[in-house]
Amino acid sequence: EAGVAQSPRYKIIEKRQSVAFWCNPISGHATLYWYQQILGQGPKLLIQFQNNGVVDDSQLPKDRFSAERLKGVDSTLKIQPAKLEDSAVYLCASSLPKAYGYTFGSGTRLTVV
Amino acid sequence: AQSVTQLDSQVPVFEEAPVELRCNYSSSVSVYLFWYVQYPNQGLQLLLKYLSGSTLVKGINGFEAEFNKSQTSFHLRKPSVHISDTAEYFCAVGSYGGSQGNLIFGKGTKLSVKP
Repeated sequence: EAGVAQSPRYKIIEKRQSVAFWCNPISGHATLYWYQQILGQGPKLLIQFQNNGVVDDSQLPKDRFSAERLKGVDSTLKIQPAKLEDSAVYLCASSLPKAYGYTFGSGTRLTVV
Repeated sequence: AQSVTQLDSQVPVFEEAPVELRCNYSSSVSVYLFWYVQYPNQGLQLLLKYLSGSTLVKGINGFEAEFNKSQTSFHLRKPSVHISDTAEYFCAVGSYGGSQGNLIFGKGTKLSVKP
């Protein structure tokens, strides 16, 4: 089966600019996650979707981050405006409902200068 | 609140030697546990998981882990490592009854296998 697709792979922006990341989960996976992985740390959950509804966004910095899942399939994560501390790898993952453990995409490495 | 501690940030080992990567967790409720591997510039790949039942769990690439509730540990082991095992390994914990997706990850252990 095709894996979780993410784009772009790399992005460099200046602080205060905006940026968007795209994720296409594995076909049939209703649950989608966005994680932030800062260098030297483990991934941290930003937001979880079940179909096109938000299940958990308690750790999403809502003043600058937003996410949506169109028609319960693809998802976009946006940062506006970006700060230096947003430099990280943004990982998308998906799973079947109520499955334990999920499949990660290759991530988007964001550098904010 | 849950937490995960990976006791070693880096583990150097020679090829064909055994290795153990240590993981301890803290939680007030029943947990499930994972080990993921991350190769350079790639996403995380699931190595193995413990949900319930047998405490010895076997995963891909010859890895295994043992869940020890009394020690609150979930150490990862491999009897003989290969150069290709060089990667970063993450331990993660989730809680039954909590948000299923909200895994708490450790900071990772970089395994470096030398010839």
